[in-house]
Formats: sequence, C-alpha cells, structure tokens
Amino acid sequence: EIVLTQSPGTLSLSPGERATLSCRASQNVSSSYLAWYQQKPGQAPRLLIYGASSRATGIPDRFSGSGSGTDFTLTISRLEPEDFAVYYCQQYGRSPGTFGQGTKVEIK
Amino acid sequence: EVQLVQSGAEVKKPGESLKISCKGSGYSFTNYWIGWVRQMPGKGLEWMGIIYPGDSDTRYNPSFQGQVTISVDKSISTAYLQWSGLKASDTAMYYCVKCGWLLEWLSPYDYWGQGTLVTVSS
Repeated sequence: EIVLTQSPGTLSLSPGERATLSCRASQNVSSSYLAWYQQKPGQAPRLLIYGASSRATGIPDRFSGSGSGTDFTLTISRLEPEDFAVYYCQQYGRSPGTFGQGTKVEIK
Repeated sequence: EVQLVQSGAEVKKPGESLKISCKGSGYSFTNYWIGWVRQMPGKGLEWMGIIYPGDSDTRYNPSFQGQVTISVDKSISTAYLQWSGLKASDTAMYYCVKCGWLLEWLSPYDYWGQGTLVTVSS
C-alpha cells in the first residue's frame, strides 16, 4: 500500500500567517489522486482539496493545493481563527486508499 | 441537501456482535459508492472498505477483510458496518463517507457522516 508521510507533525503559527503542510508518498500517486481534509475537534473531517489542486465546493480560496508524483503541499495563505485544526492528506488512486498521519495547526 | 446520518453511540462487551448504520439522503444513493473510515482514539484515519449500493459490489482494505462486513439496503438508502465478535481494539469512531464521483470508488470523499462511537469494554 502507499504510505503517506505528513510533515511537520505540529505547526505553531499566529492568525494571519501562512501555513505550508507537506505530504510525501512512498510511491507515485496516479493521476494526482490526492486529497486534503480538515478535521476540527469533535467533528467529522471535511474535504478541502481533491485532484491535488482543486478546491471542493465552498472552500475559501486561501486554501490551495499543489504537487504531483510523490510530493504534495497544502498552503493556507493567511490563517483565520477557524483554520486551526488537524489536516490529513489521502491518496485515492490505488486501493487501499490511505491517509497520512495528520498535521496539527495550532495557535502560537 | 446531501446528508449521511449515522446510528448512535454503542457500548458493547468483547465477543458481542454489532451492526451500525448510515442513511443517505439528498442525492441518488444507488449511484455513488459509500465507504467506512475508522478513527481510533486520538489517532488518524483508516479506510476500511466501500460498497456500491446499485449492486452491492464491495471492496475491503486487506487490513479489515474478514474482521468486518459491509452491506447495504438500497430500498431504504442505508449502508451498514457489522462485527460478529467485537474486541477491545475495535473501540473507535466510525465514519461513513460518500464518494464524490458518480459510479467511481477511487474518489475523494465529499460528504461524511457525523460518526458513530463504538466502545468495547468488559
């Protein structure tokens, strides 16, 4: 199975700062079938990005995704208070679909 | 409005059986794969398996094959996840998810249920 490694484990930033999250795959992710999800405490995850760079419906444009092959990035251009959460990447191009271990974005 | 509504929290003893449910509404239930994702306490997300309501075609993560059964009743737009003999290690939150692409199971998950917390303890 494809193993996804996210870094850093925790990102401590202030509102208004830029956040850059990394997701590295152990094998090529076919057709950029890479998604990002946001999970807040006590809530289900929410789809942010699919196809490595396409924003899901209703997602603000401060969220952007990039990358291909084995290296992918989620960028939050200016952190809003509601953006502090855990972020997971997922590859869905090959079964079993796998998730990264998550990056927690916390308030500094 | 698309909704996935899951059954309520469960507390069970080791060895007991359990079936939890996920009812879809607001979309064509039979045309989108629906899956299950596990989240153990304080941990990340794990894909368990997925089913196509149209014909009950089912795929499992090898890590969960034989440990759980995924089924569906398309007449009531409901998917199920069941265990025949629970273990303490099955204690987790379980989410049902809807695949975002018509007819495709290799797909991002655009809607998630609210989760069902399963606690297994003697």
